[in-house]
Amino acid sequence: AQSVTQLDSQVPVFEEAPVELRCNYSSSVSVYLFWYVQYPNQGLQLLLKYLSGSTLVKGINGFEAEFNKSQTSFHLRKPSVHISDTAEYFCAARRTGNTPLVFGKGTRLSVIA
Amino acid sequence: DADVTQTPRNRITKTGKRIMLECSQTKGHDRMYWYRQDPGLGLRLIYYSFDVKDINKGEISDGYSVSRQAQAKFSLSLESAIPNQTALYFCATSGTGSDSPLHFGNGTRLTVT
Repeated sequence: AQSVTQLDSQVPVFEEAPVELRCNYSSSVSVYLFWYVQYPNQGLQLLLKYLSGSTLVKGINGFEAEFNKSQTSFHLRKPSVHISDTAEYFCAARRTGNTPLVFGKGTRLSVIA
Repeated sequence: DADVTQTPRNRITKTGKRIMLECSQTKGHDRMYWYRQDPGLGLRLIYYSFDVKDINKGEISDGYSVSRQAQAKFSLSLESAIPNQTALYFCATSGTGSDSPLHFGNGTRLTVT
């Protein structure tokens, strides 16, 4: 079965500093990868997704992620964070075919003024 | 109006009570899902349905049941609620492709006392 590991449960970072949220997935076969963000008291919103093609994927709010097949990683990055980026971030993966999406346990990003 | 609507938003119930959480969608998606979110555990899949006649158990289906009343409606029931079912519950929908992202409702916060 597919599994997703988010290596950090909490990441504090100062405003305007860069940030990387790490994600590894278990399968090296064809897989679709997603990052979602959850703001307080809201549902999850799609940040970006990797389906195929270019390994660098750009999403909303200035976030990007890089797919690395050899390391089975899909780390999320932002060069300069804002207070408004404070939220929980979830990495998710799905194999091709009729399999449901599997989520990591989440990383809580706290941006400090 | 939200594309995926969950009712109620908050519910407090007592141990042993039957409770139903409802989800409706206007996105026209065939696939619907129920997830449970607990702090530090991420999102775990309870049940999913790929069309009106299809119901599948997820990772943590024990103690839960579902009903897909129509393409747009998917309800989750707790037949006899217990305190460890206290959690945030999310309904989500998706298109039929493996690359289709999930679209989430705003969640139902359930407390079982």
